[in-house]
Amino acid sequence: AQSVSQHNHHVILSEAASLELGCNYSYGGTVNLFWYVQYPGQHLQLLLKYFSGDPLVKGIKGFEAEFIKSKFSFNLRKPSVQWSDTAEYFCAVKGTTDSWGKFQFGAGTQVVVTP
Amino acid sequence: NAGVTQTPKFQVLKTGQSMTLQCAQDMNHNSMYWYRQDPGMGLRLIYYSASEGTTDKGEVPNGYNVSRLNKREFSLRLESAAPSQTSVYFCASRGQGFTEAFFGQGTRLTVV
Repeated sequence: AQSVSQHNHHVILSEAASLELGCNYSYGGTVNLFWYVQYPGQHLQLLLKYFSGDPLVKGIKGFEAEFIKSKFSFNLRKPSVQWSDTAEYFCAVKGTTDSWGKFQFGAGTQVVVTP
Repeated sequence: NAGVTQTPKFQVLKTGQSMTLQCAQDMNHNSMYWYRQDPGMGLRLIYYSASEGTTDKGEVPNGYNVSRLNKREFSLRLESAAPSQTSVYFCASRGQGFTEAFFGQGTRLTVV
């Protein structure tokens, strides 16, 4: 069965600090990978996605993620965070052979950026 | 662009009451989903629909029913609400091919 593990449940950091959120998945096949962000009181929005090709994926708002197939990981990074990056971040996985598009989400990481 | 629209945004129910959460998308997507979001548990799939006329159970279907009324609309019904169903409910849709899921604004449901 698919599973997604996000390493940290809560992260607190100061503005301008670097951010790295871990995501590991378990799935017996090739996958599509996603990072979603949920700002307070809002719905989930896509930050970035990986389907194939270059394992280093760049997304919106300066975020990037690296797919390391051998480690079943898809970690999210941002070199310098801003207060507006305070949000909850979700990693999600979908099997490429799953035409139904069932997404498996991680538990989420709450990120708080202090001024 | 409306995208995925959910109604209502907030709802308080008494235990045993029933209600239907509505979801509509205007992106001509085939697949639609209902998730519930609980603290520390991420999003868990309740039901999904790969196309009009088809539905299937997800991870946590007990206590819920769904209807894929047409390609645009996918409703979630709670027949007899329980406090354990207090949650935030998200509807999502997805097109064919290599695409992501698009989410609605959510419905915050409290069962007392």
